[in-house]
Amino acid sequence: QKEVEQNSGPLSVPEGAIASLNCTYSDRGSQSFFWYRQYSGKSPELIMFIYSNGDKEDGRFTAQLNKASQYVSLLIRDSQPSDSATYLCAPGPASSGGYQKVTFGTGTKLQVIP
Amino acid sequence: NAGVMQNPRHLVRRRGQEARLRCSPMKGHSHVYWYRQLPEEGLKFMVYLQKENIIDESGMPKERFSAEFPKEGPSILRIQQVVRGDSAAYFCASSPRTSGGINYNEQFFGPGTRLTVL
Repeated sequence: QKEVEQNSGPLSVPEGAIASLNCTYSDRGSQSFFWYRQYSGKSPELIMFIYSNGDKEDGRFTAQLNKASQYVSLLIRDSQPSDSATYLCAPGPASSGGYQKVTFGTGTKLQVIP
Repeated sequence: NAGVMQNPRHLVRRRGQEARLRCSPMKGHSHVYWYRQLPEEGLKFMVYLQKENIIDESGMPKERFSAEFPKEGPSILRIQQVVRGDSAAYFCASSPRTSGGINYNEQFFGPGTRLTVL
């Protein structure tokens, strides 16, 4: 079972700023990560998947994976009030294949202040 | 293309009653996962099922909880003799397959069932 840790927050940023969300993990075998966003009272939705070292960009979102330091981060540029939500990270399947239980971090609550 | 469906969306039970939560995965998905989320807490894995098989139930409480995914029909999470501590949001997710190389298995979540035990 993989363990992930996230700062529960809340992380408050002003509108237009960059929000930086971090997740550390203990299993060096983790090959990939999901970032999910969960609005209050709603179900999680996938926003990013990253499986290689370095950065992956999608619109205002950039995921960064550093396997040597065992952390993965999510940067949100030009933060908007609509980005206010809880962000969950979870390790993805190992590249070697096979079933692997997804263990979510507790999530970081982001508040974007207008 | 309908997403993951869960019903009921809200369920109220008195202590000692049974709760049945249903989940219909997305079309073409044969893998179902159940999670529980207590207020202000993270998602906790409960069970992973494929059609007619329980693959991983390591997150299920030892008593009162059971899950099934029959050949026909939705997956059912059953909670017998509910207690107030069972009050939570229960989410179901489905995926088309498990891992395979870099072809990840994104889990698509349903809207959840909010269980309230009086």
